[in-house]
Amino acid sequence: QVQLQESGPGLVKPSETLSLTCTVSGGSISGAYWNWIRQPPGKGLEWIGLIHFSGNTKYYNPSLKSRVTISVDTSNKHFSLQLNSVTAADTAVYYCAKDFDGSGRILDSWGLGTLVTVSS
Amino acid sequence: DIQMTQSPSSLSASVGDRVTITCRASQSIAPFLNWYQLKPGKAPKLLIYAASSLQNEVPLRFSGSGSGTDFTLTISSLQPEDSATYYCQQSYSTLLTFGGGTKVEIK
Repeated sequence: QVQLQESGPGLVKPSETLSLTCTVSGGSISGAYWNWIRQPPGKGLEWIGLIHFSGNTKYYNPSLKSRVTISVDTSNKHFSLQLNSVTAADTAVYYCAKDFDGSGRILDSWGLGTLVTVSS
Repeated sequence: DIQMTQSPSSLSASVGDRVTITCRASQSIAPFLNWYQLKPGKAPKLLIYAASSLQNEVPLRFSGSGSGTDFTLTISSLQPEDSATYYCQQSYSTLLTFGGGTKVEIK
């Protein structure tokens, strides 16, 4: 089973851009959809969006669509999340995850998550 | 958006108890319902997919069922390592949505 590892700054200032990378190891990045999900402190899970390994298909949560960009780098086996104009409401644990069956919608491998705090 | 409602939000049970968690969707989604287990400091784990299919290496005490809008996750004999928060998730729509979670504690 593939292993996923999120990385990026743990602290981002309000109005700035949150940037995270998910590195894939122990398997191929090809043939799958790659997702980002977040969990604000004390709250439930929120799906952010996904990208096909080819980069040709992307879907974003409409609630975040105007601020989100997901990209993929197959040669380096990682995919990335950018979230613009962050506020305190974007403080959360951010997870990356791989889809199970090529549908993009069942998530069978997840990273440990990384806490991103938005604060000045 | 498809809204997912879980109940209860938390429960406390003894080792060996049978535990049932319910998830209701705002529209018919069967069988596109999945269950995950979240523990602090660990990667979330897929337990059940397509309402009733057990993911590889998940203990047989976990099972899922349901149809239409109503689904259940059952732990037939609760074990100490099952202390966690459980989330349902619908995969009917491209916009994935999760239930609010059920925290399971061991008495």
